[in-house]
Amino acid sequence: DVKVTQSSRYLVKRTGEKVFLECVQDMDHENMFWYRQDPGLGLRLIYFSYDVKMKEKGDIPEGYSVSREKKERFSLILESASTNQTSMYLCASSTRQGPIPDTQYFGPGTRLTVL
Amino acid sequence: GQSLEQPSEVTAVEGAIVQINCTYQTSGFYGLSWYQQHDGGAPTFLSYNALDGLEETGRFSSFLSRSDSYGYLLLQELQMKDSASYFCAVRDQTGANNLFFGTGTRLTVIP
Repeated sequence: DVKVTQSSRYLVKRTGEKVFLECVQDMDHENMFWYRQDPGLGLRLIYFSYDVKMKEKGDIPEGYSVSREKKERFSLILESASTNQTSMYLCASSTRQGPIPDTQYFGPGTRLTVL
Repeated sequence: GQSLEQPSEVTAVEGAIVQINCTYQTSGFYGLSWYQQHDGGAPTFLSYNALDGLEETGRFSSFLSRSDSYGYLLLQELQMKDSASYFCAVRDQTGANNLFFGTGTRLTVIP
């Protein structure tokens, strides 16, 4: 079974702090994604990566950056956290191979609160 | 760009059948997926349609009509544990590895 893990389930930070959210997948997937999920807005794509050291902006990249130094690990960085970044953050991975390409496997999520 | 429309909430009785519709607009289409998310949980893959017609997986079925840009998820013999949010998603043409998700349908199953 694919396993995607995220470093924290709950996180509380203060405005202006630098925040790191870590995601690790164990299935050698080439694609990894970061979403935020807010009530009524569904899943919105922040950044994604097709390969090591590659990154692409999603729909809402402002205020975020990412890092992918190893294939299994994708980090989301909030350079200076703000209260409007309080949200649930979900990481996912996928592969172009397999019977249903690009099926995404999600981690359990990190609920971030910025005070 | 893409847009997906699905109802925000649906309520159904245990043992009944419920259909959750999804209409989409996308500049390119590679397939329609459905994901389930329980409260506090992660979205999990349910079903995928690349071609017109019905795909059945146990109590769940998914239908696609590409000419109508329309699909639905059908849940039969509803159980209380089916109470969850259900998201339709299309594969994005601009980045063919990506999925664009709808805003989700909250299904509540009542006794």
